Amino acid sequence: DAGVIQSPRHEVTEMGQEVTLRCKPISGHDYLFWYRQTMMRGLELLIYFNNNVPIDDSGMPEDRFSAKMPNASFSTLKIQPSEPRDSAVYFCASSLDGNYGYTFGSGTRLTVV
Amino acid sequence: EDQVTQSPEALRLQEGESSSLNCSYTVSGLRGLFWYRQDPGKGPEFLFTLYSAGEEKEKERLKATLTKKESFLHITAPKPEDSATYLCAVQTNSGYSTLTFGKGTMLLVSP
Repeated sequence: DAGVIQSPRHEVTEMGQEVTLRCKPISGHDYLFWYRQTMMRGLELLIYFNNNVPIDDSGMPEDRFSAKMPNASFSTLKIQPSEPRDSAVYFCASSLDGNYGYTFGSGTRLTVV
Repeated sequence: EDQVTQSPEALRLQEGESSSLNCSYTVSGLRGLFWYRQDPGKGPEFLFTLYSAGEEKEKERLKATLTKKESFLHITAPKPEDSATYLCAVQTNSGYSTLTFGKGTMLLVSP
């Protein structure tokens, strides 16, 4: 298995632009999580899905952030419009049943200038 | 609110110099405590899960222990390749499947 695959690895965009981050979870994993990592705040949960259904999006910072999971093998996190304070590393992770350790992707480093 | 605090923030060791990393937690009801390793530019990699006080898990030079208020990650005779950031996370009975992470301890092992 190739693990959790995220794209792009790096994204540099101008303030106000739309950014879309992509994730392919491990096949057969029923849970998918989006986390954001910064030096100040560490790893923060943004949203998670169970069987493609959003369960908890209370960590999404504001309405500029949205996430979708149209099928079991693909999820997107969109920021529109982007702001410099959104600069961070965004991780996607998946889990077989939510009770065991997650498998993380390699992350997308987002820089908003 | 669930809280996870890791100490120290950074630790520098000589090769072979054993030490421990601390993870203290305040949660409503612990379901499990997780340890991860994160290398620069990569996602966290799962190491251990501990479920009850007194439980211990080992993997090569690493041993994780758990009490009712904290967990320790003991590193015995570390090597330079053990250099990484070590993250601890908690899963609670009310938190469904989510993990709340500490900010990590950055470990540097010099040859």
